Amino acid sequence: NAGVMQNPRHLVRRRGQEARLRCSPMKGHSHVYWYRQLPEEGLKFMVYLQKENIIDESGMPKERFSAEFPKEGPSILRIQQVVRGDSAAYFCASSLGVNTEAFFGQGTRLTVV
Amino acid sequence: DAKTTQPNSMESNEEEPVHLPCNHSTISGTDYIHWYRQLPSQGPEYVIHGLTSNVNNRMASLAIAEDRKSSTLILHRATLRDAAVYYCILTYGGATNKLIFGTGTLLAVQP
Repeated sequence: NAGVMQNPRHLVRRRGQEARLRCSPMKGHSHVYWYRQLPEEGLKFMVYLQKENIIDESGMPKERFSAEFPKEGPSILRIQQVVRGDSAAYFCASSLGVNTEAFFGQGTRLTVV
Repeated sequence: DAKTTQPNSMESNEEEPVHLPCNHSTISGTDYIHWYRQLPSQGPEYVIHGLTSNVNNRMASLAIAEDRKSSTLILHRATLRDAAVYYCILTYGGATNKLIFGTGTLLAVQP
């Protein structure tokens, strides 16, 4: 059973481009979470999704960021018109349910140049 | 979200036990206590979690105070691979696995 798979592992974008980060949860997991870790800072919750539904997006920036978790396929975190301040490590986690262990991927390191 | 307080850093010697404390004086009756750790350049890794009773697994033990206002993560024999930032996190019971990470405790393990 593969763990949480994130791709790409490293992504370089120029300012103004779009970044798409993908996350395949562990088999059977329907709860997906996205976190961001800015350089030299802690992990910050961004969004919590279940299949086809956004449950909690209280940590998402109001503009340019969106997330989805379709019925089929991976969860996608989309950042439009990236700026240098978006450079960070983005981690995805999945869980079987609530109050169970969450499994994290290795992250996508986004660099905006 | 209830807040946790942890020491910024701790040191241990290899093959000795490590006790990592966490204070959560505002914990509510339905909050679960989770511990995760993050090794350098990696994603966080689940360690253990509990509600009221002490818990043991292959990685660690979790000792929860009777009043639940504090807990201690116990690594029975520290190895160099245990050097990481350890996070104590409360989650609202029954609602979500959303994790609010604090600054954690940076554990250094000396050979």
